Amino acid sequence: GESVGLHLPTLSVQEGDNSIINCAYSNSASDYFIWYKQESGKGPQFIIDIRSNMDKRQGQRVTVLLNKTVKHLSLQIAATQPGDSAVYFCAENTGANSKLTFGKGITLSVRP
Amino acid sequence: EPEVTQTPSHQVTQMGQEVILRCVPISNHLYFYWYRQILGQKVEFLVSFYNNEISEKSEIFDDQFSVERPDGSNFTLKIRSTKLEDSAMYFCAGSGTENTGELFFGEGSRLTVL
Repeated sequence: GESVGLHLPTLSVQEGDNSIINCAYSNSASDYFIWYKQESGKGPQFIIDIRSNMDKRQGQRVTVLLNKTVKHLSLQIAATQPGDSAVYFCAENTGANSKLTFGKGITLSVRP
Repeated sequence: EPEVTQTPSHQVTQMGQEVILRCVPISNHLYFYWYRQILGQKVEFLVSFYNNEISEKSEIFDDQFSVERPDGSNFTLKIRSTKLEDSAMYFCAGSGTENTGELFFGEGSRLTVL
């Protein structure tokens, strides 16, 4: 069935360190994954996506890794900054109409 | 930078009342969505809309819900007779292409049903 979830509810990192946020999914047929960031009082904001024909994709300070063998997705944030503090969601595109299934959020807290 | 605008930011209503949440998507977007987020929980898909008709809807989007884009600008979500469990943050989103994971969300409308 459709199930996208995150391993840990909170993550606290030191400013300047790298952050790794993990996500597991259960549907082996899933082929498109997305990471969103949600700051307090705001709507989700797209960060990066990856399709199943890739295992790694890089953006500005962010990298998404996809391991289809173990059905695991991760978001790496380099040199974490205070502005990165937010709730992060992994999501799966489960329909032909951008029907996104979001996982449970994980809160990233950056210590100065 | 273009943005999705939602009104009202917060609405408090009595159970059984009708509520209309409004959204002005980014002007060149063609695909529109409503998602909701119950406090502290996951963001959940409600409905997708394209070419003036619903493309897909979730099981949450029952007969009490409707969407329309009456004037080519506003995109509205109507809840005909609100229930306590409709209390949530409702997010409008849009995209310029089909079947994309890159949606542009508004800041949400908080609905509180008493």
